[in-house]
This record gives sequence, structure tokens and C-alpha cells, in this order.
Amino acid sequence: KAGVTQTPRYLIKTRGQQVTLSCSPISGHRSVSWYQQTPGQGLQFLFEYFSETQRNKGNFPGRFSGRQFSNSRSEMNVSTLELGDSALYLCASRDTGIQETQYFGPGTRLLVL
Amino acid sequence: GENVEQHPSTLSVQEGDSAVIKCTYSDSASNYFPWYKQELGKRPQLIIDIRSNVGEKKDQRIAVTLNKTAKHFSLHITETQPEDSAVYFCAASSRGSTLGRLYFGRGTQLTVWP
Repeated sequence: KAGVTQTPRYLIKTRGQQVTLSCSPISGHRSVSWYQQTPGQGLQFLFEYFSETQRNKGNFPGRFSGRQFSNSRSEMNVSTLELGDSALYLCASRDTGIQETQYFGPGTRLLVL
Repeated sequence: GENVEQHPSTLSVQEGDSAVIKCTYSDSASNYFPWYKQELGKRPQLIIDIRSNVGEKKDQRIAVTLNKTAKHFSLHITETQPEDSAVYFCAASSRGSTLGRLYFGRGTQLTVWP
């Protein structure tokens, strides 16, 4: 099976703009989780979607949102970008509602100027 | 919520030596503990995982041990090779309401010198 894919891989935005990132999970995986990775804070959980429903949410402001489509593809959106949003955004997919193992995509590196 | 602590933050070993990375967790409900390897510019790759009903798991040169009572788990790499150089992350999750959420340690930069 093909692995988790993410687009775009790199993105440069300016403060105040918004951005949408996309994640395609492994075929058959219905759960998609999003993480933010920064040198200062490490890997932090943003949210998880399963069967088009958000099931978990981390401690991020409301500017960070997401959604999942019926084919399990997921998008996350960040509005009103801040310099501190510069990070590697990783998504991970999981097989079923009870399987814990998560497989990561290559990430989208976002730079906010 | 869960808190995962990881030590050391950096580790340098000679090729052929063993490397040990230790993690502790705070939530007794956590029952799944994966380890990820992330090479520079690459995605985190799952290298081994363990569930709370098992005390030890081994896969060739890599092993993980879990002590539920003490709430700690460790990654052991034997006969290290230069290609083992990477950042290693431990994580924890539970099957409760936070299923699908991994709590990560801060990572260990492992350098293996030839």
C-alpha cells in the first residue's frame, strides 16, 4: 500500500494569511491525526478525525481547524497566521477505531514571515 | 493529561556499542508505547511498539522493555551502526477517550561514531 501523503511539502506565508494543508491516509485507514513539530515544543497533538468526526483535540487556539472527507482524506486550516506557527505539520493515519499504531506522512513545512 | 519524559536528550556512542533511551509516563491508563525514529528531514518511522500486557519485545537489534508499576519504558539498541544515527521519540497513548492521540517525549538525538 502507498504510505501517507501530504501536500504541499513546503509553504511560505506571511503573517495574517491563512493556509490549508492536505493529508491522504493509507488506503483503508479511517483515522487521521495531526501534529505540530517545532524545535522548542517537540511533537504536539492538534486533533484527530475518524469517520469525518473530530474525536480529539489538543491545546491549540481556534485558529487551527480541520476536517475529514468521506474518502478519509483530511485537511487542516490555520487562519490569521502568526510567526510562531512556523513548524513541520505532520499527519498520521491509523487503521481502525481501536488500532493504536499510527503511520506518519512526510509533513508540510510551513514558514511564516 | 499524560506527560511523557525522555532521557537523555543527546547520546553519543561508538559503533558496535549499545544505546539505551529511557522514558517515563504519568497516566496509569496509558497502555500503548511506540518508538519512532526520525532522520533529518524525514518523517517519523515506527521502529517498535509495546502494549501494556507485555513486558518486553525484541526485533533484531532493537528491544523495548516496559515496567508498568514504575511507569517507565526503555529502548535498547545493540550493535549500533552509523545508520542508527537519528532522533528517537517515545510516545504513549491509551484506549480511552484519547485514543488516537499520542503523547510524545522530547526526543533523543543519537549519534553513532564509526
